[in-house]
Amino acid sequence: SQTIHQWPATLVQPVGSPLSLECTVEGTSNPNLYWYRQAAGRGLQLLFYSVGIGQISSEVPQNLSASRPQDRQFILSSKKLLLSDSGFYLCAWYPGPTNTEAFFGQGTRLTVV
Amino acid sequence: ILNVEQSPQSLHVQEGDSTNFTCSFPSSNFYALHWYRWETAKSPEALFVMTLNGDEKKKGRISATLNTKEGYSYLYIKGSQPEDSATYLCAFNYGGSQGNLIFGKGTKLSVKP
Repeated sequence: SQTIHQWPATLVQPVGSPLSLECTVEGTSNPNLYWYRQAAGRGLQLLFYSVGIGQISSEVPQNLSASRPQDRQFILSSKKLLLSDSGFYLCAWYPGPTNTEAFFGQGTRLTVV
Repeated sequence: ILNVEQSPQSLHVQEGDSTNFTCSFPSSNFYALHWYRWETAKSPEALFVMTLNGDEKKKGRISATLNTKEGYSYLYIKGSQPEDSATYLCAFNYGGSQGNLIFGKGTKLSVKP
């Protein structure tokens, strides 16, 4: 069966420090992968999606970047965190076709101080 | 900009009450409508994936309906229990198997015993 791993679960980082969140998927190949964020009082916002190695699409301009170095690995990064980067980050795998659900990692609670 | 609206934003009910939430989405380029249940610090869990106009799905005390022509879906919970307390998310797929899921902000349900 397919599983999705995301780490770390919680993170407290100072403003200006770098960030690296990792997501890996097991049990499938060439998955469509997504990074979402929920900021305080807001809904889930799509940040990046990737349909293959080295292929990244950004939905919103921001202080973050994403990379897909391997087929089943998706990384969210920042060179210098801002206070506004605080939130709950979720990695997701959407297998398709249209009648299937998305699967999520456990999430990372990021607090920038 | 595609927008998915959910109402109400939050809901407080007594144990045993029945309740319903609304999800509104664009009526064009429809591929699928998802409902997820999201508990704090956990991954969202899929409830339903609906693809056809007029679809009605049921899982235990929870059911959902879909109207793609007018762009709305209802989620019903019959006889709410404290364990139903969670945020209920709907998500709209506008791009098929490689499409993205646009999430609403969710409805936060609190059920008091």
